[in-house]
Amino acid sequence: RKEVEQDPGPFNVPEGATVAFNCTYSNSASQSFFWYRQDCRKEPKLLMSVYSSGNEDGRFTAQLNRASQYISLLIRDSKLSDSATYLCVPVRGSQGNLIFGKGTKLSVKP
Amino acid sequence: EAGVTQFPSHSVIEKGQTVTLRCDPISGHDNLYWYRRVMGKEIKFLLHFVKESKQDESGMPNNRFLAERTGGTYSTLKVQPAELEDSGVYFCASSRTGGAGLRETQYFGPGTRLLVL
Repeated sequence: RKEVEQDPGPFNVPEGATVAFNCTYSNSASQSFFWYRQDCRKEPKLLMSVYSSGNEDGRFTAQLNRASQYISLLIRDSKLSDSATYLCVPVRGSQGNLIFGKGTKLSVKP
Repeated sequence: EAGVTQFPSHSVIEKGQTVTLRCDPISGHDNLYWYRRVMGKEIKFLLHFVKESKQDESGMPNNRFLAERTGGTYSTLKVQPAELEDSGVYFCASSRTGGAGLRETQYFGPGTRLLVL
């Protein structure tokens, strides 16, 4: 089983749409979780941290379910600039090493 | 505040040659990480420095890879001799150490694209 499983997409949505991404992780020792976004041929950039209580940052909402080892990201009112690959990233134990999956590709169309 | 920088941005070498990649972390970040993505695969952890010490090098593929961080500032990753399967994008990331020893957010450099022919 892969350490991080994400639907690779692509998700093709119109501007203004709401889109949700899901992710499952296998390392039950992970304590911290992040969503990164990666534009084509660029480095990953932090989008937001994910907390057990759920957290929101503008149009983005992240949720964590530790019991199910499941993480989600909701993007409301999609913008063209949201087009990117979204990476669900648990942290391995206390060492801080990030565990990456292949990510989910989002394409927002006019 | 300057971000993580990496040099070179691209490198094309022949199999058997040596290549050295450099990473300059964000000033004040004790933690420095190397990651790699080979084509079609996910980004994978290579190793982690805390200041000048190797905290975890469990992701290093084999002994052809040597990482150093003398003085606890910039780091180098040397591949000697390079093989075809070493081609990929090598990312460096850095982070502070926060309260209770927790590592904080990792910031990535732009990566070095290595092609071994």
